[in-house]
Amino acid sequence: QQQVKQSPQSLIVQKGGISIINCAYENTAFDYFPWYQQFPGKGPALLIAIRPDVSEKKEGRFTISFNKSAKQFSLHIMDSQPGDSATYFCAASGGTASKLTFGTGTRLQVTL
Amino acid sequence: DAGVIQSPRHEVTEMGQEVTLRCKPISGHNSLFWYRQTMMRGLELLIYFNNNVPIDDSGMPEDRFSAKMPNASFSTLKIQPSEPRDSAVYFCASSVWNSNQPQHFGDGTRLSIL
Repeated sequence: QQQVKQSPQSLIVQKGGISIINCAYENTAFDYFPWYQQFPGKGPALLIAIRPDVSEKKEGRFTISFNKSAKQFSLHIMDSQPGDSATYFCAASGGTASKLTFGTGTRLQVTL
Repeated sequence: DAGVIQSPRHEVTEMGQEVTLRCKPISGHNSLFWYRQTMMRGLELLIYFNNNVPIDDSGMPEDRFSAKMPNASFSTLKIQPSEPRDSAVYFCASSVWNSNQPQHFGDGTRLSIL
């Protein structure tokens, strides 16, 4: 029940295209859903996060879509750029704890 | 502001040796997390502390692993004795204790056990 399932495992998108990464969870106590971006040799860094009281959050080219009834959330990267090439992790936490449950990661490659 | 600082960045040692990884969290953060990242298992939470007290160590793989947080600005993860299967990148992260606060990660220690 603590798992967060992430797909796809890898993704290749052309420059200017839309990258979409999906995550699903089981634990209804989760109330915070961040996405992290990781470049080689670096630690994951918070990209964008959403709470379940809204269905969408947009920051620049990055948008989280959240479907509470389906227990799914996704990351959309509009106008994908080669600099977006990285590994993306979805995560979830709930209650008073800061403990995050991470998805397995998606390696995104944006080609020219 | 200084981020989470981990040392060393790289460690190569022989099987059986003791390994100590160090972490300095962001000042003012009262939660600290140790993670291990491998290709096979992804990002695994090993242990986390709140106000220097270990809260959940269920992710620690076995008794060879131990972690301490003697004060709010320092934590160690120790492996003794080390084994080749411990080779991974180990990350430390810190945050303010609240479910809606982001975790800030260090750049990790790449550990190779020969």
